[in-house]
Amino acid sequence: SQQGEEDPQALSIQEGENATMNCSYKTSINNLQWYRQNSGRGLVHLILIRSNEREKHSGRLRVTLDTSKKSSSLLITASRAADTASYFCAIYPYNQGGKLIFGQGTELSVKP
Amino acid sequence: DGGITQSPKYLFRKEGQNVTLSCEQNLNHDAMYWYRQDPGQGLRLIYYSQIVNDFQKGDIAEGYSVSREKKESFPLTVTSAQKNPTAFYLCASSSTSRDRWGETQYFGPGTRLLVL
Repeated sequence: SQQGEEDPQALSIQEGENATMNCSYKTSINNLQWYRQNSGRGLVHLILIRSNEREKHSGRLRVTLDTSKKSSSLLITASRAADTASYFCAIYPYNQGGKLIFGQGTELSVKP
Repeated sequence: DGGITQSPKYLFRKEGQNVTLSCEQNLNHDAMYWYRQDPGQGLRLIYYSQIVNDFQKGDIAEGYSVSREKKESFPLTVTSAQKNPTAFYLCASSSTSRDRWGETQYFGPGTRLLVL
């Protein structure tokens, strides 16, 4: 499967701790994106990282991309209870006509 | 207020019935997408459209149909041929300028379809 495989499937941490989620994939990509989904809601885009980029930051979010290992990680620093959500990576492979392929997601629970 | 809307929020389908889910966007995006999400799962692509009056099947198109008569609208019909329609359906849109294909997708709030 070309889809992103996410690890761990579920993560539970205390408020103030850092949360790290990983995504691995099997094909060459144009870019990789991370999305967040609160329970019962639509997805919200967090960060897009292109294949020629290695690291990107947005507020408390840090994304890394290692194309040689075909893997990415999302780090949320100083987590808050409001960060509780599911986080999905999505890859945009070359020659796929613009289709994003989503992983299964990591369910993050941040306890106050 | 720019965005993407879906209606209804909840939809109930009786056996043998076709139902239509609405998706509208005012972001002036060319591309629109329909995804299905089952509990604890990722998103699977049903249909997508890159331009008005054109659409392509995604990975799980069987039992579904779409139309794209207007840029702003991309309704999804769940037909009676779809035997297991209970799921959360998400619509999305994105820009498709030549060098930015496959960029950020903007999602609606979703429609939860339940079978009576």
